[in-house]
Amino acid sequence: AQKVTQAQTEISVVEKEDVTLDCVYETRDTTYYLFWYKQPPSGELVFLIRRNSFDEQNEISGRYSWNFQKSTSSFNFTITASQVVDSAVYFCALSPPNAGKSTFGDGTTLTVKP
Amino acid sequence: SAVISQKPSRDICQRGTSLTIQCQVDSQVTMMFWYRQQPGQSLTLIATANQGSEATYESGFVIDKFPISRPNLTFSTLTVSNMSPEDSSIYLCSARSSGNTIYFGEGSWLTVV
Repeated sequence: AQKVTQAQTEISVVEKEDVTLDCVYETRDTTYYLFWYKQPPSGELVFLIRRNSFDEQNEISGRYSWNFQKSTSSFNFTITASQVVDSAVYFCALSPPNAGKSTFGDGTTLTVKP
Repeated sequence: SAVISQKPSRDICQRGTSLTIQCQVDSQVTMMFWYRQQPGQSLTLIATANQGSEATYESGFVIDKFPISRPNLTFSTLTVSNMSPEDSSIYLCSARSSGNTIYFGEGSWLTVV
């Protein structure tokens, strides 16, 4: 069985602070995909990143960075110099390689105050 | 990447009626899915939409309540039948690309009164 845990239900920061959103997963698959999505108040799920289980290289995209640690089954997401527009619900998800069902965490609500 | 369009984006429906949500992908995808997201909750998979055959439903969801069609590789519909206020949710269409990235539509906000 697959499981994704986002232990932080809500995080509140002040603009320009750095913030890390945690994601821990469980799977018996040796190959899998991990995702992060952003859901602003408008409701759409915006794809942020996909990471393959065999690629542990960390990734940076502008103010966003992701730290994948297979040894601890974690895929954490850091926003540097947060902005008000970063306020949203962020979901971490796990997907098997064989087009099977994806598993989502419960989401972390990030509020960035001006 | 894949761009997924859903309509309607929002609707207010009367109890006991049915609503069909359409999902169009701009490129061929391997799989299409329908999710429900109740207020303040995470996503729950309703079913996998199979091209040309019956959808594969998750536990707790049945075809009579949520009939799904997928006549081709890029289009699917979800009908929410005999609606009740408990069906008020965001319904999200999702597609898996050949590169194994999973994309989502903008969501359809459904309010049942």
